[in-house]
Amino acid sequence: EDQVTQSPEALRLQEGESSSLNCSYTVSGLRGLFWYRQDPGKGPEFLFTLYSAGEEKEKERLKATLTKKESFLHITAPKPEDSATYLCAVHTNAGKSTFGDGTTLTVKP
Amino acid sequence: ETGVTQTPRHLVMGMTNKKSLKCEQHLGHNAMYWYKQSAKKPLELMFVYNFKEQTENNSVPSRFSPECPNSSHLFLHLHTLQPEDSALYLCASSQSGGRSTDTQYFGPGTRLTVL
Repeated sequence: EDQVTQSPEALRLQEGESSSLNCSYTVSGLRGLFWYRQDPGKGPEFLFTLYSAGEEKEKERLKATLTKKESFLHITAPKPEDSATYLCAVHTNAGKSTFGDGTTLTVKP
Repeated sequence: ETGVTQTPRHLVMGMTNKKSLKCEQHLGHNAMYWYKQSAKKPLELMFVYNFKEQTENNSVPSRFSPECPNSSHLFLHLHTLQPEDSALYLCASSQSGGRSTDTQYFGPGTRLTVL
């Protein structure tokens, strides 16, 4: 059975305090790993897609990396507007998609 | 209108009511999805439509009935719901569905409360 586990469940940072979110996965045939951001009362917003181990993608203060077992979302010098829930999802060769529970990030000014 | 829109944004219904959720995508995509997001649970994929044909039904109870009249519109008809069906219902679209890894673009969701 495909599994996606995100940690920590919640993360509180001070503005400017860099950190990382983790997404561990166990799937039978990974086609792609997606990161989304979700603000309260809104739908998830696409951030990145990673397809193979060693791949990295960056967008502003965010950088996503992928290994054969996990993905990290690194947040450098976060700002309060980065506060949101970050979701990880895996798509498999069988055409299935599985989402993690998400990490709720709060950045204090 | 741009992106993916959903109406209504909030819905309160009794267990005996019949209501429908509407989703419209303005992205020219061919695949559309319904997801359920409950508190403290990951997103659950309910249905997938690809070129108006249903390609996936993840063992969803029959009290949820999807309809996809064309590639731009998706409905979720609700009847005889249970309180545990209260959740945020999200619609998404992508260029194509099935085994692709196309990025999915989500609507804002409909917050459903079943009394």
